[in-house]
Formats: sequence, structure tokens, C-alpha cells
Amino acid sequence: QQKVQQSPESLSVPEGGMASFNCTSSDRNFQYFWWYRQHSGEGPKALMSIFSDGDKKEGRFTAHLNKASLHVSLHIRDSQPSDSALYFCAASVPNYGGSGNKLIFGTGTLLSVKP
Amino acid sequence: EAAVTQSPRNKVAVTGGKVTLSCNQTNNHNNMYWYRQDTGHGLRLIHYSYGAGSTEKGDIPDGYKASRPSQENFSLILELATPSQTSVYFCASGDARIYEQYFGPGTRLTVL
Repeated sequence: QQKVQQSPESLSVPEGGMASFNCTSSDRNFQYFWWYRQHSGEGPKALMSIFSDGDKKEGRFTAHLNKASLHVSLHIRDSQPSDSALYFCAASVPNYGGSGNKLIFGTGTLLSVKP
Repeated sequence: EAAVTQSPRNKVAVTGGKVTLSCNQTNNHNNMYWYRQDTGHGLRLIHYSYGAGSTEKGDIPDGYKASRPSQENFSLILELATPSQTSVYFCASGDARIYEQYFGPGTRLTVL
């Protein structure tokens, strides 16, 4: 069964600190990794995607992908209280037995940024 | 900005009853998806669609049906609701080229 392992389950950082999350895909045939953020009471919203080895930076957010190890990470520098949310990684993988691709989501990391 | 709306936002149903969750998107995306979100499981795919008239089974389709009568609308149907289907349900529309998905605000379903 296709899975995405995500860690940690929860994380608390001080305002201005660095928050880091990790994910590993069980399916080597992924096309993209996505990072989504979900504030309480809302639907998830896409933060950024990455499909090439190395780093991708968008503002305070940096994603890192290592295709060989099927590992992706997200780092938030200068964390703000408004960053407090549930963060999901998602791997776009072939839909075996069906058609096209689908997203497999990790179980999420709950981030709390303390003022 | 992409817009996906869901109705109802909250629903209480009785065991054995029929429940229909509705989703509408104005993004003109071909792909639409239904997920459920449970603590410890993340988001799990129930059904999806590649266009009007098509539905496909996702990873956990048992106990659910889907209907895509038009490009804009995608419904999730629970013919015989059970307490194990108590969850938060999310609809999403997607760009098939880059696999980004846009989510609605969710429906909280409680089956008593």
C-alpha cells in the first residue's frame, strides 16, 4: 500500500525559531512532493511543491528533496504565531489499478509557534 | 483565487440514513476529489473524477458512492450511514498537469 511517513506528529517552536518537518514516500514513482498547510477550521492549502533534487526556497519556506532516499523536508525560518497550523506533505504517485495520478498524504505535523 | 464550496458545513445523521454531501468548484478543473480526514490518518482519498459523468474509486471507497453530473459539481453519497463514517470530509478540485489540489472548507459529519 502506498504510504507517506511524516514526522514529527507535533512540534512547538518559539516565535522567530526554525520549524522542520520530514516525510518519506514508500513509492519510488512519485512525480511531485507537495506541502500543504491547514489552519483550524479550514481546508488544506498548498504551500509549495518540489520535484527536483536539492532545495527550493519560497520566502521563509525551504523544501529539500532527496530522490534517492525518497525523503522530503520543509523548513520554516523566523516562525510566526500565524504559522501555527497542521502541515501535510503529499506525494503525487501513479494511481495503480486506476488511471492518472493521485496524492498520498502524510498524517500531518501540528505546529505551535509560541509568542 | 480558486473557489471550492461545500454544503452542508455540518451534518448530523442517524445510522442507516442516507447522506449526500455536495461540492461545487468554479475553477474549471477537470479533476475533483473527495477525502476524509481523521486524526492519525491524515487525508484519505474516497472517490475522484476526471470530468462530468466519470467517477473512480479511491483508496477507501467502501460505503460511499460519488456522482459528477457536471464540470462544477461533485457529490458524495452515503446510502446507509454508519458511526464509523463520522469524520470531516473535504472536496478538492485539481489541475492535472501539476497535481495541485484546491480544497473546500470541509463538512463535519456526525453519524449517531
